[in-house]
Amino acid sequence: KNQVEQSPQSLIILEGKNCTLQCNYTVSPFSNLRWYKQDTGRGPVSLTIMTFSENTKSNGRYTATLDADTKQSSLHITASQLSDSASYICVVSALNTGFQKLVFGTGTRLLVSP
Amino acid sequence: DVKVTQSSRYLVKRTGEKVFLECVQDMDHENMFWYRQDPGLGLRLIYFSYDVKMKEKGDIPEGYSVSREKKERFSLILESASTNQTSMYLCASSLGGTRYNEQFFGPGTRLTVL
Repeated sequence: KNQVEQSPQSLIILEGKNCTLQCNYTVSPFSNLRWYKQDTGRGPVSLTIMTFSENTKSNGRYTATLDADTKQSSLHITASQLSDSASYICVVSALNTGFQKLVFGTGTRLLVSP
Repeated sequence: DVKVTQSSRYLVKRTGEKVFLECVQDMDHENMFWYRQDPGLGLRLIYFSYDVKMKEKGDIPEGYSVSREKKERFSLILESASTNQTSMYLCASSLGGTRYNEQFFGPGTRLTVL
């Protein structure tokens, strides 16, 4: 069964600190993995995308890693800001004939405290 | 910038009412999607459409129908709303083709069925 599991479910950190969010998946055949940021009451917005051959991708203070062998990804946030408070969703794409199916994690809710 | 808009941010309906949720995208995307998002469950695909008048069932189509009469507009219909359809509904769109393309999400409609 295709699944994406994220940890922790929620996290509180102080402003300026770093944090790492985890994503484990059992999606096959793997196509790519994307991290989305979802602010409260808003739709998700893509942060990074990685294909099988990529193991690191950065977007400003966000750095995603991918280990396709162990089927694990992480999202590292550096020097956190209050605006980083959001849910972060890991989404893995399975390559089906003619169409790509997305498998969503349940997200990690991050709160950055002043 | 891709823009996906949804007709309402908040909606309150009564059990048994027929409910229409509208989604419009302005980037000439072939694919459009409807998801619902519930706490602890992540995003689940209800229906998607890869062309005008074409539709495919997602993972949880029961109790829903869709309509795509124009390329830019994708409607989700609850024929007879029930309390278990209280949820956040997210519309998304993406370019067509078999290769993966980013899905761009709308802001969501929070529907409450009383």
